[in-house]
Amino acid sequence: GAVVSQHPSRVICKSGTSVKIECRSLDFQATTMFWYRQFPKQSLMLMATSNEGSKATYEQGVEKDKFLINHASLTLSTLTVTSAHPEDSSFYICSASRDTESSGANVLTFGAGSRLTVL
Amino acid sequence: GQQVMQIPQYQHVQEGEDFTTYCNSSTTLSNIQWYKQRPGGHPVFLIQLVKSGEVKKQKRLTFQFGEAKKNSSLHITATQTTDVGTYFCAGTKGIQGAQKLVFGQGTRLTINP
Repeated sequence: GAVVSQHPSRVICKSGTSVKIECRSLDFQATTMFWYRQFPKQSLMLMATSNEGSKATYEQGVEKDKFLINHASLTLSTLTVTSAHPEDSSFYICSASRDTESSGANVLTFGAGSRLTVL
Repeated sequence: GQQVMQIPQYQHVQEGEDFTTYCNSSTTLSNIQWYKQRPGGHPVFLIQLVKSGEVKKQKRLTFQFGEAKKNSSLHITATQTTDVGTYFCAGTKGIQGAQKLVFGQGTRLTINP
């Protein structure tokens, strides 16, 4: 089955530094990847849609300059949290879509997530 | 914008009891998906429903998609401790390639053994 690898799983950084999170589709090509943010005991909030070879599409309220997304290849998307602050501490999850046979609708395969703690 | 509401937010049951979570959309959905997230884990795809009135079963889990394609439910019969986790519905609206999943708030299921 489809596998999405996300790295690092946990990261602790100082306020003001930048952190890069990688998301890789291991056994399939993903022209589109999605980045979600999840606060404790809450739902997944879509941050942006990452498109291979073009600019990411950000959801309303998500700062483009704060959360830099790069989708340089069909198997890799990165999310960089720039000048991180304690309020950026969260669980970030990437996902990649893969068409199903029956309807063509996109089924998401999620990475294991990255827990960011900003001190 | 499109919203997907899910209830209840929390559900605690005794092992062996049934459990149901409901999902409602303000607009007609192209399809609906269900995911399960174990504590400390990431969401894992369970199933997708596409057709109006569709019912699918996976062992003790029964998934339904409403006739109007605006609501869905997940029912677990005779819960087991392995069923613990948060169940999310996620709806899509739009043509293939332009679809974007909108997640419900999730229902967190805890079980008393």
